[in-house]
Amino acid sequence: NAGVIQTPRHKVTGKGQEATLWCEPISGHSAVFWYRQTIVQGLEFLTYFRNQAPIDDSGMPKERFSAQMPNQSHSTLKIQSTQPQDSAVYLCASSLVWSQNTLYFGAGTRLSVL
Amino acid sequence: QQQVRQSPQSLTVWEGETAILNCSYENSAFDYFPWYQQFPGEGPALLISILSVSDKKEDGRFTIFFNKREKKLSLHIADSQPGDSATYFCAASRPQVVGQLTFGRGTRLQVYA
Repeated sequence: NAGVIQTPRHKVTGKGQEATLWCEPISGHSAVFWYRQTIVQGLEFLTYFRNQAPIDDSGMPKERFSAQMPNQSHSTLKIQSTQPQDSAVYLCASSLVWSQNTLYFGAGTRLSVL
Repeated sequence: QQQVRQSPQSLTVWEGETAILNCSYENSAFDYFPWYQQFPGEGPALLISILSVSDKKEDGRFTIFFNKREKKLSLHIADSQPGDSATYFCAASRPQVVGQLTFGRGTRLQVYA
């Protein structure tokens, strides 16, 4: 079991460019979560999928951010027109459907917007 | 308003000592409190957790003490080891709100040999 896999580990974009972050959940886990970690705000919930369906996106910024889960083996977080304040570590986590508050996190993608 | 607060921000102990990490919360509706351990360059990893119906949870060297009336909990790490040096996050969630953990800002623990 390789755990939650996130790619790339580091991504550098210029202001205004698009960034797509990838997550492969643990096999058999049907719940996928995205969090953002910064020094200033700490760990913040962004969005959650269960069985590929979007369930809760209450933490997602309303503009420029979107998340998808096209199949059970991967999810993407897309940020359009990136801004310097989007610089953060983006963490993906997965869990079993019957233990949905036991989250297994990936190592994260560090996004740097210049 | 920060709903989950942790103290101290950083803590240094010697090998073999007991490290005590504190956490408090605002929302009485929180009923599940996991502690996560994070090493540099890695994601947080679940260490131990407690439900609000309990006042103590032990797992090896790690113990959570929970005081529902005062909305406080603490993580005790007995016989601290240099390998325990990491950042520890207290988190909380409400019933039926799946996966939306509210995290504290963390306590950075350094254990010296």
